[in-house]
Amino acid sequence: DTEVTQTPKHLVMGMTNKKSLKCEQHMGHRAMYWYKQKAKKPPELMFVYSYEKLSINESVPSRFSPECPNSSLLNLHLHALQPEDSALYLCASSQDSVIRNGWDTEAFFGQGTRLTVV
Amino acid sequence: EDKVVQSPLSLVVHEGDTVTLNCSYEVTNFRSLLWYKQEKKAPTFLFMLTSSGIEKKSGRLSSILDKKELFSILNITATQTGDSAIYLCAANSGGSNYKLTFGKGTLLTVNP
Repeated sequence: DTEVTQTPKHLVMGMTNKKSLKCEQHMGHRAMYWYKQKAKKPPELMFVYSYEKLSINESVPSRFSPECPNSSLLNLHLHALQPEDSALYLCASSQDSVIRNGWDTEAFFGQGTRLTVV
Repeated sequence: EDKVVQSPLSLVVHEGDTVTLNCSYEVTNFRSLLWYKQEKKAPTFLFMLTSSGIEKKSGRLSSILDKKELFSILNITATQTGDSAIYLCAANSGGSNYKLTFGKGTLLTVNP
């Protein structure tokens, strides 16, 4: 099973709303990621969690707040977003290569949440 | 700054043609190069390459990495309309964590 599940698939929210995106994997992966992808652009890394700890924050505005409650779940809390934040938000996971004795591992992506901010 | 450049940006072929997609990279602490196929939603993993000169093959798709010249190619033989997609190349430069830097992708259109 190489499935990464994201919910919801689509989300429309106002600029004053608070919402959360969820991501789940049961592959035993210890690294999880949030990417943002605008139309006709490649995915851009936002956050990396390794062993439930935030290890990379690519200077993402504080209106995006990630959370990793356990090794299978990753959330992205959204508050006071702007219309330009509308995008496809992708979650990915990989086995931490430290576990694999330094061998590199694949990263698998979820189907994404299509977010529209109005 | 890490950089991944793909070419061509778009390509239109007929069914049965063979295509070669290119990816060059300049990243610090390079670990591996990954190819993904993206249709409507999530990128679907195709290959991960870590060693130079070793071809990876899956059906009609194959890929190879040249770590000296810092590039990779993805070949698709006997293309089918279902191969139409954006093909993304990404370089992992994050050590034990993935820090994937993506290229802009190649939009492949296969016409019947």
